[in-house]
Amino acid sequence: GESVGLHLPTLSVQEGDNSIINCAYSNSASDYFIWYKQESGKGPQFIIDIRSNMDKRQGQRVTVLLNKTVKHLSLQIAATQPGDSAVYFCAEGGVDGYNKLIFGAGTRLAVHP
Amino acid sequence: NAGVMQNPRHLVRRRGQEARLRCSPMKGHSHVYWYRQLPEEGLKFMVYLQKENIIDESGMPKERFSAEFPKEGPSILRIQQVVRGDSAAYFCASSPQGGVGNQPQHFGDGTRLSIL
Repeated sequence: GESVGLHLPTLSVQEGDNSIINCAYSNSASDYFIWYKQESGKGPQFIIDIRSNMDKRQGQRVTVLLNKTVKHLSLQIAATQPGDSAVYFCAEGGVDGYNKLIFGAGTRLAVHP
Repeated sequence: NAGVMQNPRHLVRRRGQEARLRCSPMKGHSHVYWYRQLPEEGLKFMVYLQKENIIDESGMPKERFSAEFPKEGPSILRIQQVVRGDSAAYFCASSPQGGVGNQPQHFGDGTRLSIL
């Protein structure tokens, strides 16, 4: 069965605020985690990834945090912009030694002006 | 650089017909993955292929579905005798290597398959 799930199906934020999207995973053998952004009618777009030997990784306006103790993953978006409105998916991989990804159900982020 | 190219973007078939979905990976990528997405759901892994080899097809139904990635040309996902339940968006992703975390998978914009 699916091992990745999300706590909040929909998140509404004001433009300029920080957004936090959470994700839980159940397979402790997962070695690789990745966040994708999906806009309507498009394919998933890579945002940021992290290996299990790290607990934090930063990109441009985004930070991914990994807490292996509680099997929790989060995506932080700083200064959220209207263009960030989309569905965000976390995915895990590495159980089989390669990039077979298991996706969560997704969180819809709505940014209001 | 051209990304992952999928065609057609939209495909309509009647029940019982065949559907062929094509995927050209990014230049230099030799690993292809197919996923299926129902509305308001996450993507579900179907099959992982390298050139001329199926590495993992554990997510693909045993009946009616097949995939290939020939030495030349795009990867093909083929669905025979389609049924209404096959209606979904089918996404292809590619990576230069198959190892964990070597390079993230890059996705195409999918094929929306509708069965009448």
